[in-house]
Order: sequence, then structure tokens, then C-alpha cells
Amino acid sequence: GAGVSQTPSNKVTEKGKYVELRCDPISGHTALYWYRQSLGQGPEFLIYFQGTGAADDSGLPNDRFFAVRPEGSVSTLKIQRTERGDSAVYLCASSPSNSRVDNEQFFGPGTRLTVL
Amino acid sequence: GDSVTQMEGPVTLSEEAFLTINCTYTATGYPSLFWYVQYPGEGLQLLLKATKADDKGSNKGFEATYRKETTSFHLEKGSVQVSDSAVYFCALSLTNAGGTSYGKLTFGQGTILTVHP
Repeated sequence: GAGVSQTPSNKVTEKGKYVELRCDPISGHTALYWYRQSLGQGPEFLIYFQGTGAADDSGLPNDRFFAVRPEGSVSTLKIQRTERGDSAVYLCASSPSNSRVDNEQFFGPGTRLTVL
Repeated sequence: GDSVTQMEGPVTLSEEAFLTINCTYTATGYPSLFWYVQYPGEGLQLLLKATKADDKGSNKGFEATYRKETTSFHLEKGSVQVSDSAVYFCALSLTNAGGTSYGKLTFGQGTILTVHP
């Protein structure tokens, strides 16, 4: 079956612009996660949705970052007034739920964001 | 806070050599431990996992044992292949006493493995 998909695969924008990054999780997965991976580093947690609601947004770096999942499926990560330091690969992952201790997260290919 | 530390890389080996990638963690509560792998041009994939002390995770010839006394989860493989060349990430996920996950993964910085023929 289809895995997690993310669009666009690459996004180049100018400092100060607004961007949206989209994630399509695996069908039926209720849990959805966003991570940010800078060059040479491991992914860092941003936000986690269980269904439509954000269960944990403690990783969002500041109020320029926002994410939604209005129908409990597709999610959009929104970044306002982008800064050069926002350049990274943004990863999305989904899992069937969060209830099992050993739930595997299935990752998408990522969106590479470059802020000039 | 919770954290994962991996041995610094990159690691370069010849085919059929023995592999160890060290991973230690700091966590409150009851962590589950994971190794994820990222092959060139592909997304992160779960390689193996262990959910409680002394559990051994294994897959594709790789093994890792959850050592609570040393807070470690070292990855090993007895004989690596060229196809094992990838970036390996150790990660943890916290759970409550009832075993329900808090959701997020905390990753180490990754170790690049290159295997030469």
C-alpha cells in the first residue's frame, strides 16, 4: 500500500515569506508527527497529532510555526516569516495510534526547505 | 531532559567486518528504544526495537540489547554487507507506567556507515 507522502519534495523560498508543507499519512493511521532534521543531525520533534487535535506541540520552536490536521488525515505545517535558520528537511511520520508502547512510526521522504 | 547519544562517525568497514555502533540514553520514566535506518535516497525505516530492560531487538542480522544498568542500546552485526551502507539513528520513546506511549521519538545525531567491498 501507499506510504507516507510529503509535498513538495523541495521548496526554495526567500526570507520573510510564508510556506506550507503537506503530509499525507498512511490511510487509517490516527497518529501523525512532524520532525525537523538539520544537516548532520537527527530528527527533532516538532508536533504530534492524535486525530484532529495536537496532543503535543512542545517542539515547535516559536509562534511562526503552526500545524493543522482538520479532518484527522492530511496535515499541513505552516511557517510564517521564514528565516534562514528554518532551512532543514521537514519529516512527517504516522502510526496506527499512540496506545501501543512499541508502535512503529512510518516516515515520509521529507520536504527539503531552503530559505535564501 | 531526555536525550540519546550515539558514537561519533562516520564508520568505514570492509565487507564481512563486525559492526558496533554505540548508543546511550538519558530518560525519565520507561523508555522504549529503537534503531532507525536511512538508506541513500530513502526515508527513515524502523530497523529494530526493544521495549523493556534485557529485551533484544533483531532484524536483518542486526541486534541490540536494552541494558538498563548501563543505559545503552548498542547496535551490532556480525558480518556487514555493502548494502548495509546507510545512516543509523538510535531513538527513544517514553511511555507511562501503563505502557502507553507519549508519542514522540527523541533521536541521536546519527552514524554514517560505509561498507567497502
